[in-house]
Amino acid sequence: DVKVTQSSRYLVKRTGEKVFLECVQDMDHENMFWYRQDPGLGLRLIYFSYDVKMKEKGDIPEGYSVSREKKERFSLILESASTNQTSMYLCATSMVGNYGYTFGSGTRLTVV
Amino acid sequence: DAKTTQPPSMDCAEGRAANLPCNHSTISGNEYVYWYRQIHSQGPQYIIHGLKNNETNEMASLIITEDRKSSTLILPHATLRDTAVYYCIVRVGGGGADGLTFGKGTHLIIQP
Repeated sequence: DVKVTQSSRYLVKRTGEKVFLECVQDMDHENMFWYRQDPGLGLRLIYFSYDVKMKEKGDIPEGYSVSREKKERFSLILESASTNQTSMYLCATSMVGNYGYTFGSGTRLTVV
Repeated sequence: DAKTTQPPSMDCAEGRAANLPCNHSTISGNEYVYWYRQIHSQGPQYIIHGLKNNETNEMASLIITEDRKSSTLILPHATLRDTAVYYCIVRVGGGGADGLTFGKGTHLIIQP
């Protein structure tokens, strides 16, 4: 079975902390994505990567950075967490071509 | 990506077919119709996609009108576990690594 694993299901961090959200896939997919989901706003794309060491900004990259040193791992970094970054964070992967995306279960981050 | 319009909510009796409509009147010739669903507190799940022809897989059937301006997702024998938000997404084929644009979707409630 295809799997996208996010390191934490729930996370509580303090304002100003540096936060790492990890996503690992076992499917050899080229493309990886980070979204956040908020009530009333739907899913919004933060960053994506189409290859190792490659990254592209999505719709809301401010306050975030990413790292993709290996094909199977895509990390989302909050350099200095703020309360407005409290959200559900979702990682997704896809192959190149007309295929569906596979999502992880999500990390619910609370910044206090 | 072209915009889609879905009803905000629908009810369906358990065991009956659930028919979820989606309007995409501005769809372009090279854009596919994708369907995802999201069960509460989980990541979205890919269901099915198509370009012109009707498609069927183990989860659902997708009926696309001849003019491609609308489509219907059919869950043939709905169960309580099919209660979820269903998203209809239109995007260019080719599997570009540019993410998906999710609207508000249809909240399908399966009644026992």
